[in-house]
Amino acid sequence: EAGVAQSPRYKIIEKRQSVAFWCNPISGHATLYWYQQILGQGPKLLIQFQNNGVVDDSQLPKDRFSAERLKGVDSTLKIQPAKLEDSAVYLCASSFASVIFLEQFFGPGTRLTVL
Amino acid sequence: AQSVTQLGSHVSVSEGALVLLRCNYSSSVPPYLFWYVQYPNQGLQLLLKYTSAATLVKGINGFEAEFKKSETSFHLTKPSAHMSDAAEYFCAVFTGGGNKLTFGTGTQLKVEL
Repeated sequence: EAGVAQSPRYKIIEKRQSVAFWCNPISGHATLYWYQQILGQGPKLLIQFQNNGVVDDSQLPKDRFSAERLKGVDSTLKIQPAKLEDSAVYLCASSFASVIFLEQFFGPGTRLTVL
Repeated sequence: AQSVTQLGSHVSVSEGALVLLRCNYSSSVPPYLFWYVQYPNQGLQLLLKYTSAATLVKGINGFEAEFKKSETSFHLTKPSAHMSDAAEYFCAVFTGGGNKLTFGTGTQLKVEL
């Protein structure tokens, strides 16, 4: 079974530039999550989708971050414009549904460096 | 609000020695707790989870954790460390609805010969 795919794996940009990350969840998984993992910290949930609808985006900095999940499968997370403090690993995860106890499967992440 | 605290950002053990990684939780309701492992340049992988069925939970790779309500703890242990156990370990708790997880700050485990 293929896991969660993410691209690119690494990205270096200058501040005020834009960047986009792509995620392809495990086939059949209705729920998709984007996490931000800053060095030395645990992952923090940015946004959660159930199919193509947003379940929780309370910690998404909406003035610069946006995300979409068209057709309830792939998802894209965008930052525009990037700030130095956005340097982090962006993890995508998926689960079969939003039911409690269901395991979240994580992708390898995209490491973003903002100079 | 539910949260977890991991004591010790770095732990070093000798190969073959006991591994003990500490996690304490704060919750006003019975918590649902998890341990994840993250190997270098990889995503997180679920080690084990506590869902109130049994206080001693066994996971993959020989790890286990015991839920102790009196101590508000969910420490991760392994009797004998292996070099391949070197990784970062995260404790997490369900918060709110919709399968939302809140993670601790992580503990980096180093295994020495």
